[in-house]
Amino acid sequence: SAVISQKPSRDICQRGTSLTIQCQVDSQVTMMFWYRQQPGQSLTLIATANQGSEATYESGFVIDKFPISRPNLTFSTLTVSNMSPEDSSIYLCSVEEGTGVYDGYTFGSGTRLTVV
Amino acid sequence: GNSVTQMEGPVTLSEEAFLTINCTYTATGYPSLFWYVQYPGEGLQLLLKATKADDKGSNKGFEATYRKETTSFHLEKGSVQVSDSAVYFCALVSGGYQKVTFGTGTKLQVIP
Repeated sequence: SAVISQKPSRDICQRGTSLTIQCQVDSQVTMMFWYRQQPGQSLTLIATANQGSEATYESGFVIDKFPISRPNLTFSTLTVSNMSPEDSSIYLCSVEEGTGVYDGYTFGSGTRLTVV
Repeated sequence: GNSVTQMEGPVTLSEEAFLTINCTYTATGYPSLFWYVQYPGEGLQLLLKATKADDKGSNKGFEATYRKETTSFHLEKGSVQVSDSAVYFCALVSGGYQKVTFGTGTKLQVIP
């Protein structure tokens, strides 16, 4: 299965600033997924990023707040913009394990973000 | 819509004890079911999966059986180790909505 390197692993940021999270995969993948895991809660899908096209955002998430780049088949970034304390969460990137959604997913180690 | 319900944690067990983490689901169609594990400071890892009714997924001594009649996918292990301490997530994917739906996670702590 793919190996994902995600960074930074954690950060403490001032409100109103932005943070860019990077994910590097050791193989080429069509789709990359970005999730948010709020304290004590489950994972929520933010968006799906395909190489060469605009990311597809889930309900409740917008591009201005969470811009995503996908410049090639092994790399993606998620930016958390104009941060507020409510953005304090763990952010994870993910790729499909095998050939489709039913094979399961591999996740990065996550970025633990605290906004003060 | 789809949903996954897991038992509340944390669950604290002594080493070599028997583990059950309950998971029930609601889904359209015929979902595939998964258990993921998140060790401290790491991302989620796929632990096991089952794609149809009565399938049993197994890995690293963990097992879970897809029970369509009770819409359940309970995780079991006969003898837990300290190294099994982690957060366990039940999840599903169904054909009508090809995105993963996760449960809230159950933290397991195994003490020597």
